[in-house]
Amino acid sequence: NAGVTQTPKFQVLKTGQSMTLQCAQDMNHEYMSWYRQDPGMGLRLIHYSVGAGITDQGEVPNGYNVSRSTTEDFPLRLLSAAPSQTSVYFCASSLGTSAYNEQFFGPGTRLTVL
Amino acid sequence: SQELEQSPQSLIVQEGKNLTINCTSSKTLYGLYWYKQKYGEGLIFLMMLQKGGEEKSHEKITAKLDEKKQQSSLHITASQPSHAGIYLCGADLLRSGSRLTFGEGTQLTVNP
Repeated sequence: NAGVTQTPKFQVLKTGQSMTLQCAQDMNHEYMSWYRQDPGMGLRLIHYSVGAGITDQGEVPNGYNVSRSTTEDFPLRLLSAAPSQTSVYFCASSLGTSAYNEQFFGPGTRLTVL
Repeated sequence: SQELEQSPQSLIVQEGKNLTINCTSSKTLYGLYWYKQKYGEGLIFLMMLQKGGEEKSHEKITAKLDEKKQQSSLHITASQPSHAGIYLCGADLLRSGSRLTFGEGTQLTVNP
């Protein structure tokens, strides 16, 4: 099992550019989520999904879109990147449709928006 | 202000010493998680506590949940350099079963 994989590992964008952060898991987990980690702010939930076709907003959803067409993949889209979106992004998944199970985290994507 | 406050923010100890990290919530806890993060890497699950008074141990790490105080503590016995990293607590504060709030983390350095 590869676990939770994220691509790319590093990305530099210019303000206004769009991009998609990829997240995939091979554990057949129903629950997947995206967090951003910023100094002094800890991890903050952006969006989450409890199964294919079902997504919901977390604490800081503005500026991000998600979709869940398959159980394995949960991409995060930045439609028009802003410097405030400079952060480290983590994708996580867990068995079952809640966060009450162990969440497996990916290695992260470090994004810089100039 | 953070809904989950961790203390201390950073900790430097000599190898072999015991240490405690605290996680205090401003709201009722419906599940408390502890994770460890190495710099530049993802989070590794340590333990999950759900009931008041619950205590779990894994190797030299013990976590306890005090429901009345809305607080959890993580205790490391006889610390080793391998324990170094950032420890984060996360909790379900909305009773959503799906949305976790995390503390800012505690940076632990263990000097040999």
